Amino acid sequence: NAGVTQTPKFRVLKTGQSMTLLCAQDMNHEYMYWYRQDPGMGLRLIHYSVGEGTTAKGEVPDGYNVSRLKKQNFLLGLESAAPSQTSVYFCASRPDRVNEKLFFGSGTQLSVL
Amino acid sequence: ILNVEQSPQSLHVQEGDSTNFTCSFPSSNFYALHWYRWETAKSPEALFVMTLNGDEKKKGRISATLNTKEGYSYLYIKGSQPEDSATYLCAFYPTSGTYKYIFGTGTRLKVLA
Repeated sequence: NAGVTQTPKFRVLKTGQSMTLLCAQDMNHEYMYWYRQDPGMGLRLIHYSVGEGTTAKGEVPDGYNVSRLKKQNFLLGLESAAPSQTSVYFCASRPDRVNEKLFFGSGTQLSVL
Repeated sequence: ILNVEQSPQSLHVQEGDSTNFTCSFPSSNFYALHWYRWETAKSPEALFVMTLNGDEKKKGRISATLNTKEGYSYLYIKGSQPEDSATYLCAFYPTSGTYKYIFGTGTRLKVLA
């Protein structure tokens, strides 16, 4: 029972490089979220999805793109990485009932040099 | 702008002490309040999802109360143990239909043996 799986766990990029973070969940959840966690700032929402084929902007979407082509996968892309995107990224998912808890992945630590 | 505040930011307690933290959130447009436990190098795990004013939830030595009219929730830990050391996050879910959770910055608890 994998739950929410994030890959990769760690990555170092140079400024200007691109990469994609993958979030996969095997619980048939409708809602998926990408957050970034920075010291003293808590979890901030980047983008989210309320179902397959849908995406929406969160609190800090600039510099990121997302896709939800399959219900189980939510991809977060950085087209041209910047040092300000150095952070720990968490994916979360939940079922279609709002009283349900969020299930989090184990995080991706990204450093942009 | 919806704001969720947690206090204190951090605290140290001795093993066996009882402690409590506060989560303050907007008293209007309330739908749900979540509490998560976040251990270092792990992902957040749900403790409680609270939806009704006056709600009280309990899980072992940890309990939580909810006051939606005044916009606060308390998390209590009775007889703290070193394994309770973690960051405790609350997340506010409004009725606005945006599907977004607003997280506080957390209370970091260290239980000294």
